[in-house]
Amino acid sequence: QQPVQSPQAVILREGEDAVINCSSSKALYSVHWYRQKHGEAPVFLMILLKGGEQKGHEKISASFNEKKQQSSLYLTASQLSYSGTYFCGTEGFESSEKLTFGTGTRLTIIP
Amino acid sequence: DVKVTQSSRYLVKRTGEKVFLECVQDMDHENMFWYRQDPGLGLRLIYFSYDVKMKEKGDIPEGYSVSREKKERFSLILESASTNQTSMYLCASSLYFGQGAYEQYFGPGTRLTVT
Repeated sequence: QQPVQSPQAVILREGEDAVINCSSSKALYSVHWYRQKHGEAPVFLMILLKGGEQKGHEKISASFNEKKQQSSLYLTASQLSYSGTYFCGTEGFESSEKLTFGTGTRLTIIP
Repeated sequence: DVKVTQSSRYLVKRTGEKVFLECVQDMDHENMFWYRQDPGLGLRLIYFSYDVKMKEKGDIPEGYSVSREKKERFSLILESASTNQTSMYLCASSLYFGQGAYEQYFGPGTRLTVT
C-alpha cells in the first residue's frame, strides 16, 4: 500500500519554510526522499533508517518517527531551485531492497 | 557518475503490438527496477531484479514481463500493448547491500503512447 503524502501541493515564496509529511500504514525499516524537477528523472535526497534519526544537508532535513510510521521533510528558507515534486519511498521489513513510493507533493517556489 | 540510460525518450505504438523498453546502467549495480509514473499516482513498481535472470513482481506486474540476461541491462516487455499502458516508464538501479534498500539512480524515462 502506498504511503500517504501531505500536502499534495504547496506554493511558497522564496525564503519561506515548508514541511512535507509521509505516513505509512505498515512498520518501516527505512524512508527515502527523492525530488523530481519537471521533465527530469527523480534524484535521491536522503535515506532515514529505523531508530528515529534525523538527517539533512544544507537547508533540507528530514526526520523519521518509526513508532508513528511517519517521516517529515523540512525545507528551510526555500530557494527557487527547490521547486519540484517530492516523493517519499518506504521500505518495510518484509521487502528488502524494494521501495513503495507515495503519490508525491508538488512544491512551487515563487520569487 | 552513475548513468542509467533508456533506449527511447518517446515511443508511439499501436494497440496489440509487442513493445520492448530497454534500460542500461554503467555502475555494476545488482538491483534494477521498472516503474510507471502517472499523474496523481506517483511512482509504482512494475518489476525489479536483484541479479541476472532473477526477477520479482512489484505492485502492478499485470500486462508486463521483464528480462535480465546481463547485469547491466534490464528490459521491460509489453506483450500486447493496450491504451491503459500509456504512461511514463522509469528505470532505476541501485547497489545491493544485503540489508535494506539503497539509493536508486533513475533514467530519464520513456514516454510511451499506445494508440
